Formats: sequence, C-alpha cells, structure tokens
Amino acid sequence: GQNIDQPTEMTATEGAIVQINCTYQTSGFNGLFWYQQHAGEAPTFLSYNVLDGLEEKGRFSSFLSRSKGYSYLLLKELQMKDSASYLCAAMDSNYQLIWGAGTKLIIKP
Amino acid sequence: GAVVSQHPSWVICKSGTSVKIECRSLDFQATTMFWYRQFPKQSLMLMATSNEGSKATYEQGVEKDKFLINHASLTLSTLTVTSAHPEDSSFYICSAKGAGVDTGELFFGEGSRLTVL
Repeated sequence: GQNIDQPTEMTATEGAIVQINCTYQTSGFNGLFWYQQHAGEAPTFLSYNVLDGLEEKGRFSSFLSRSKGYSYLLLKELQMKDSASYLCAAMDSNYQLIWGAGTKLIIKP
Repeated sequence: GAVVSQHPSWVICKSGTSVKIECRSLDFQATTMFWYRQFPKQSLMLMATSNEGSKATYEQGVEKDKFLINHASLTLSTLTVTSAHPEDSSFYICSAKGAGVDTGELFFGEGSRLTVL
C-alpha cells in the first residue's frame, strides 16, 4: 500500500533549527512536496524535490533520498510565525498526491 | 504565483439544506481541480478529482450523489453538499493544477468552513 509517515508534533525554540522527517512508500514516484498549513487556512507550497539531494530556499531547505524513501524539511532561524503544520506529500506514478498526516510544529520563545 | 479563489470562506446552514462552494482559478486555466475535506487536527482527505468537461472521479467512500462536483469551465469548479447534516461540517479545500504543469504543483484555494446546524 501507499503510506506517508511523519512525526505528529515537534517543539523548537525561536532562533533554532528544526528538521522534520518524512518517509514514504508509493506506487511509483514523481516527486516529494512539502506544504505549510496554518490553523484554519489552506496549505501553501514550500518545496518540491524529485532528484536526490538538498534544495535550499531561504530559511527552508528540503532533502530527498529516493533510495531510502526519505525526505526532510529543515527550517533555520525559526520565527514564531513558523508555528504551523507541515505536510509531506509524495506523488505516485499516476501523478496523485499521497498526503502525510502533517507535523504540528510549536515554536517557543 | 497562480491564484485560486474559493467562496464562501464560511457558511452556516441548517440540516437538510444544500450548500454550494465555488473554486475559481483567477489567472490560469485549471485543467484539473481537486476537492479535499479536512477534519480538525487531521490531514487533507482527497474527495474527488475533476477534469474540465468530464465527470468527476470520486475517492472510495465519498458519495457522489451527496457531494456534487461540476467543472464546467477551465476556471471554475463547484462542490455542492446536498442535504447537509452536522457530520458534513468540515473544512473543504479546493486545489487546481494548470495545463502543462508537469511538476504537479497544486495551487490551493483559501478553504471553506462549513458548519451544519
């Protein structure tokens, strides 16, 4: 079956770095997405990886290892506004997104 | 980036009535639109996929007669919750994919929070 696993909740301190991990099992693979979702709002796109390696975009970076079925989202210089849920989603061979349950990130001052 | 507008943002209705939610792509042609529902503290659950001009494809367990989806144009898809009941109260979100977008990046509407009394 198809499955996405990511931690339910994480806590970090303002100004610190946090890494949110995601493992996936899909029928075929056409990329790994990370979305940010604040409570009561729709998700917003953060990153897309289809090749192995690290993609850096400002304070956010995303890493992919296709052989391991593994990705992580790295957030640096955490700000209070980064408190949100982070959704990992893998695209299967039919170009359908398989969503993880999301990781709720709590930032403390 | 591309903009998807969803309306209404909030809706409260009485049990037994029908509610229509609109999803519009404002600056691109959306060949495919997706409808999700999300319960509190849970992830998105795909309800159906609609392609312009054809019938929607519903996910297993989603009643197509209850959740009517129409994708009549390349910029508009509608979800109608028929004979709504309190258990239909949820956050409904649409997303759209543009023509020729191979990466699969989705653009999300703002979401519509439905409360059925």
